[in-house]
Amino acid sequence: EAGVTQFPSHSVIEKGQTVTLRCDPISGHDNLYWYRRVMGKEIKFLLHFVKESKQDESGMPNNRFLAERTGGTYSTLKVQPAELEDSGVYFCASSLGTLNTEAFFGQGTRLTVV
Amino acid sequence: AQSVTQLGSHVSVSEGALVLLRCNYSSSVPPYLFWYVQYPNQGLQLLLKYTSAATLVKGINGFEAEFKKSETSFHLTKPSAHMSDAAEYFCAVSLTGANSKLTFGKGITLSVRP
Repeated sequence: EAGVTQFPSHSVIEKGQTVTLRCDPISGHDNLYWYRRVMGKEIKFLLHFVKESKQDESGMPNNRFLAERTGGTYSTLKVQPAELEDSGVYFCASSLGTLNTEAFFGQGTRLTVV
Repeated sequence: AQSVTQLGSHVSVSEGALVLLRCNYSSSVPPYLFWYVQYPNQGLQLLLKYTSAATLVKGINGFEAEFKKSETSFHLTKPSAHMSDAAEYFCAVSLTGANSKLTFGKGITLSVRP
């Protein structure tokens, strides 16, 4: 069974450009999460989808970030326009919809804004 | 609100020595606690989790952790380190289990010397 897949694995863009990150969760997992780790800092929660609905988006840093999960399958996270401080590793995770289930993480997308 | 403290950023042990990685948490309600590991070029993998059952939790690869409410700690141990244990380890807390947002510590890099 395929795990959580994220792509691209790396992205280098210039300040002001737009980047879209994609996450394919494990098939059947209704819960999908985005996290971000800025260099030297903690991994921080961005948002949580249950199917196609945003359950909790309290961690989204500002309105330059837009997450979507159309159809409740894969999700995209768009950063527009990108700023230098957006650099970091973006992780996606998915889990089944019940308590005490494991969240499975993808390998992450390393975003560098120059 | 909850938080996680992992003191230090790097631990080095000799192969065969005891591994002890410390984690302290704060939470306003009984927490769910997790240890994740990230091997180079891989995603986060769940090592073990505490979900209010037994206070001594056994995980994969010979790791275990003990929940101590009085000390608000959830330290990770392994009796004998192996070279393959070299990785970054993250302690995390959530209020309602894996299907809600995780709050991570800063992570600790474990090196194992031959």
